[in-house]
Amino acid sequence: GDSVTQMEGPVTLSEEAFLTINCTYTATGYPSLFWYVQYPGEGLQLLLKATKADDKGSNKGFEATYRKETTSFHLEKGSVQVSDSAVYFCALRTNAGKSTFGDGTTLTVKP
Amino acid sequence: KAGVTQTPRYLIKTRGQQVTLSCSPISGHRSVSWYQQTPGQGLQFLFEYFSETQRNKGNFPGRFSGRQFSNSRSEMNVSTLELGDSALYLCASTNAGSGRPETQYFGPGTRLLVL
Repeated sequence: GDSVTQMEGPVTLSEEAFLTINCTYTATGYPSLFWYVQYPGEGLQLLLKATKADDKGSNKGFEATYRKETTSFHLEKGSVQVSDSAVYFCALRTNAGKSTFGDGTTLTVKP
Repeated sequence: KAGVTQTPRYLIKTRGQQVTLSCSPISGHRSVSWYQQTPGQGLQFLFEYFSETQRNKGNFPGRFSGRQFSNSRSEMNVSTLELGDSALYLCASTNAGSGRPETQYFGPGTRLLVL
């Protein structure tokens, strides 16, 4: 079946550090790929998405590129801020309308 | 466009009671999915409704049920509550059937505490 594997956390960084959260997936066909962010006490917010190979999703300084050859969708940000502290989820959605989520990676950014 | 709304935001119930949660999707979206989120189990899929029909179902006992109305609003019901049902219940609205790649948008969640 479909699966999403993301980097185990927690991840702790200093402000202005470079962020990478790895995400790899297994799915049949060509799923759409997503990154969601969840702040304490809130629901998941769509951070960015990519719907086909080589697409790059970007938002609020975060980027991720849909790599079909390595089945990956790694999240990156050049300079993190304290306000980026949250839980990040990688997810896919197949053309059959089924979603699969990773376990989430907790990011803490220290001033 | 208004986002996904869920009511109530917080609930406290006792074991054996039942509860009904409500979700209103983004205007124009005909699909609503429900998820249970707990610290130990992560995000688990309950079911998805599209145009009033259950489209997909997760591996939850029959105590968990749902329905969708003609205006796309959805309700989720949990009967005979157990302590383990304490969780954040998330609703997601999807642009299924639009002809575009499907994207899920989540509501703020309903936090249920079972005592």
